[in-house]
Amino acid sequence: RKEVEQDPGPFNVPEGATVAFNCTYSNSASQSFFWYRQDCRKEPKLLMSVYSSGNEDGRFTAQLNRASQYISLLIRDSKLSDSATYLCVVNRGAGSYQLTFGKGTKLSVIP
Amino acid sequence: EAQVTQNPRYLITVTGKKLTVTCSQNMNHEYMSWYRQDPGLGLRQIYYSMNVEVTDKGDVPEGYKVSRKEKRNFPLILESPSPNQTSLYFCASSGIATNEKLFFGSGTQLSVL
Repeated sequence: RKEVEQDPGPFNVPEGATVAFNCTYSNSASQSFFWYRQDCRKEPKLLMSVYSSGNEDGRFTAQLNRASQYISLLIRDSKLSDSATYLCVVNRGAGSYQLTFGKGTKLSVIP
Repeated sequence: EAQVTQNPRYLITVTGKKLTVTCSQNMNHEYMSWYRQDPGLGLRQIYYSMNVEVTDKGDVPEGYKVSRKEKRNFPLILESPSPNQTSLYFCASSGIATNEKLFFGSGTQLSVL
């Protein structure tokens, strides 16, 4: 099993749609989970951290399922500006500052 | 403004000609790291540093060197670049508390001919 695995997409969705991405990770000792957004050829930027209780930031909701070792990102009411690649990021174990990046899921929101 | 400054943005060079990509952060971060990003392979870590004079290999360190003489600077050195090092490179930094956000530089597109 790959360390961090994501569906590469692309996901092509119409404006206003709800879209969900999943990500699985292999290291059961991982404690820190994030979603980063990357626009084409630009630097990744933190979208949100993912907490055990789940968290929401506007149209974005992140969930963590430790038992099944996956995290999810839900985007409601998609905007054209949401078009980007979404990277699932997981730390490498208890207390580790080292991060493993998934290869990303590409989202295109279509007018 | 909190930022990671990476230079140059674009670099074209020839095989074997030593080069340095600079990285500087103004947030007093302990942790700094270099990544390369290639199509289909995602971001892979080259080297990282937890503090001054402390550096460690990442997943793909071959052909690269780094140094951390000052807390703010973390240059990436290619002593003898080869075409397989053509890639998009990112420097990043963060604090070392739990769930610290990783700040990235704008990237350096390197082409080795």
